[in-house]
Amino acid sequence: AQSVAQPEDQVNVAEGNPLTVKCTYSVSGNPYLFWYVQYPNRGLQFLLKYITGDNLVKGSYGFEAEFNKSQTSFHLKKPSALVSDSALYFCAVRDYRRDDKIIFGKGTRLHILP
Amino acid sequence: DAGVTQSPTHLIKTRGQQVTLRCSPKSGHDTVSWYQQALGQGPQFIFQYYEEEERQRGNFPDRFSGHQFPNYSSELNVNALWLGDSALYLCASSLTVRNQPQHFGDGTRLSIL
Repeated sequence: AQSVAQPEDQVNVAEGNPLTVKCTYSVSGNPYLFWYVQYPNRGLQFLLKYITGDNLVKGSYGFEAEFNKSQTSFHLKKPSALVSDSALYFCAVRDYRRDDKIIFGKGTRLHILP
Repeated sequence: DAGVTQSPTHLIKTRGQQVTLRCSPKSGHDTVSWYQQALGQGPQFIFQYYEEEERQRGNFPDRFSGHQFPNYSSELNVNALWLGDSALYLCASSLTVRNQPQHFGDGTRLSIL
């Protein structure tokens, strides 16, 4: 069965430092991968996606993610963190060759320390 | 251009009651999905509607049902509510093309007493 793992419940980073939020996935075929961000009392906002092509994907607000097929990972990164990046981040996978459902990870809370 | 809108924003019900949540998709979108997000968890897929039919369904009991109207708006109905149904219910809309991201509403916070 397809699944998504976000191994860290919380990540703390000092403002200005690079950040990484980890995600690994398990699907039977070729996945579509997404990152979303959720602010308090709000829905999820789309950040970026990997469909095919270049393994480094650039998205909104300076975020990027690196697709690694051999490690089945899709880690979210940003070169320089801002306090306003503090939020809940979700990785999601869509196995379009199987049942086409979208599975979300449990989320990682990112704290950017001033 | 309005995004995804959900109503109501908050709702309080008691055990055994029934509830209807509503969603209007982003303009131009034809597919609506519903998710349940319990506190501290990621969204769990309930079902997806396209062309007024349920296309996909997650592991939710038949107490959860839905509908999509010709204007692509959608309703989520939950019968026989119990405490475990307390959650944030999110609606997401998208184009039916599979590589497109979903756009989420801000959700309906449902509390069961």
